[in-house]
Amino acid sequence: DSGVTQTPKHLITATGQRVTLRCSPRSGDLSVYWYQQSLDQGLQFLIHYYNGEERAKGNILERFSAQQFPDLHSELNLSSLELGDSALYFCASSARLVLNPGQNTDTQYFGPGTRLTVL
Amino acid sequence: AQSVTQLGSHVSVSEGALVLLRCNYSSSVPPYLFWYVQYPNQGLQLLLKYTTGATLVKGINGFEAEFKKSETSFHLTKPSAHMSDAAEYFCAVVEGSTLGRLYFGRGTQLTVWP
Repeated sequence: DSGVTQTPKHLITATGQRVTLRCSPRSGDLSVYWYQQSLDQGLQFLIHYYNGEERAKGNILERFSAQQFPDLHSELNLSSLELGDSALYFCASSARLVLNPGQNTDTQYFGPGTRLTVL
Repeated sequence: AQSVTQLGSHVSVSEGALVLLRCNYSSSVPPYLFWYVQYPNQGLQLLLKYTTGATLVKGINGFEAEFKKSETSFHLTKPSAHMSDAAEYFCAVVEGSTLGRLYFGRGTQLTVWP
C-alpha cells in the first residue's frame, strides 16, 4: 500500500459527460501528479501540482482540468468525454520541496488508479 | 526531450532463469532513472531508482539495475525468476529541466513459466 488513495476505483459514463477523479496524497506529501495510461499512448504525464499551485503541464487536453486543495487532495475533472478518454488515470505523490528545476528527484508513489470507461 | 525505449514488449522466462529487461534512454542532462512494476489491476510500485553515486542499484524483490552512461542504458536484472515476478515493468526517466515529471517507456510484460 503506497498510502496514496484514489476514488472511485471504476467509473463508467457516456460520451459528452463530465466526471471528477479524486486523489489523496500520502500524509505530508506536497506534490501531486496525474498520469493517464492507455493502450494507445502508454503512460503519459498530465499535470503536476505542488502545495496548491500548478507547476507543470504535460499532454493534458483543454477539456481536462485539475486542482489541488488546501488539504492537499487533488481532483482531475474530465469534461465532454469522448470514447478515446477511456483509460486508467493514476495520481502519484511525492514529498520533496521543489527548490530549483532539475532538483526534484524524490520518488513518486502511485495510487491504485481510477479506471474510466466512456461508452 | 526525454525518451525511454524498452526493448521487447513481452519477455518470457522459466522459473529460476535470469531475468533481463532492457531500457535505453535519451537525455540532454544527467538523468534520474526508475524502474516501476505494475501487477494486474494495481498501481505502479517502485522497484529501484538511480539518482547519483553508485551505478549498480539494488531494489526490492531481488532486482537490480546498472546505469551505463556510455550506453545510455539502465537494464533491469534478477538472477533467478520467481512466479510472483510476472507483471508489467516500466522504465522511467525524470527530465532534469522539468519539475519531476516522469517519462515512461511502453512497458515490458514479463511472463514466468513453471
